[in-house]
Amino acid sequence: GDSVTQMEGPVTLSEEAFLTINCTYTATGYPSLFWYVQYPGEGLQLLLKATKADDKGSNKGFEATYRKETTSFHLEKGSVQVSDSAVYFCALIDNQGGKLIFGQGTELSVKP
Amino acid sequence: NAGVTQTPKFRVLKTGQSMTLLCAQDMNHEYMYWYRQDPGMGLRLIHYSVGEGTTAKGEVPDGYNVSRLKKQNFLLGLESAAPSQTSVYFCASRETAGNTIYFGEGSWLTVV
Repeated sequence: GDSVTQMEGPVTLSEEAFLTINCTYTATGYPSLFWYVQYPGEGLQLLLKATKADDKGSNKGFEATYRKETTSFHLEKGSVQVSDSAVYFCALIDNQGGKLIFGQGTELSVKP
Repeated sequence: NAGVTQTPKFRVLKTGQSMTLLCAQDMNHEYMYWYRQDPGMGLRLIHYSVGEGTTAKGEVPDGYNVSRLKKQNFLLGLESAAPSQTSVYFCASRETAGNTIYFGEGSWLTVV
C-alpha cells in the first residue's frame, strides 16, 4: 500500500543553519505531495505542496521538489530560525483511491 | 481551520465506555478522514470516506467504526474504549479534485 517515510528526529540545528528533512514515498500512480507543519500545542498547517513530477513547492523560505525518479520530496531551507522549531510532516494523496497518508513526522529544534 | 469542526474537543472515558466523535464540514467536500496522532507515530489514518454513504478502512481501523449518513458529517465511534485509544484525533476534508486539505482542531481523548 501507499506509504510515506521521513527521516527520524529530533533534528537539532543552530540558527541560520541549512535544513534538509528527507521524505520518500511509495505509491501507485501519481500522488500529490505535501509538507505540513505543527507548532507546539497547535493543529496542522499546510507548508507547501506539489502536484506533479518536477514541481517545486515553496513557502516561507522552505522548498521541496517532487522527484518521481527517486520517489522523494525532501524539505529544505537555507537558513533556519528559532521560530521554525516544530514537527514537520510529509504526506501524499493517492489520487486514484483518495487516501491521504502521512509520514511519522520529524521534530526540528532550532537553538539560538 | 475554519470550515471543519470537531466535537467534543476534550473527553475522558472509562475503559469499556462508548462514545462518538463528530466531524462537520460546511464546504460540501466529498472526502473526509479520521486520524489519530500519537507521539513518534505521526498521523495514522483510521477510516476515510470518499462520499456520502461510503466508508473505507485506513491504516489502523480496529476498535473504531464510522458513518457518513450526511455529506457534511463524518462520525467516529468507539464501541468499547481501551486505554490504547488514548490519543489526539484529527478530522480532515477536501474536494474530490482538490489538493487543499482542511483540518479540524483536534479532539483530545483519554481512556482511563
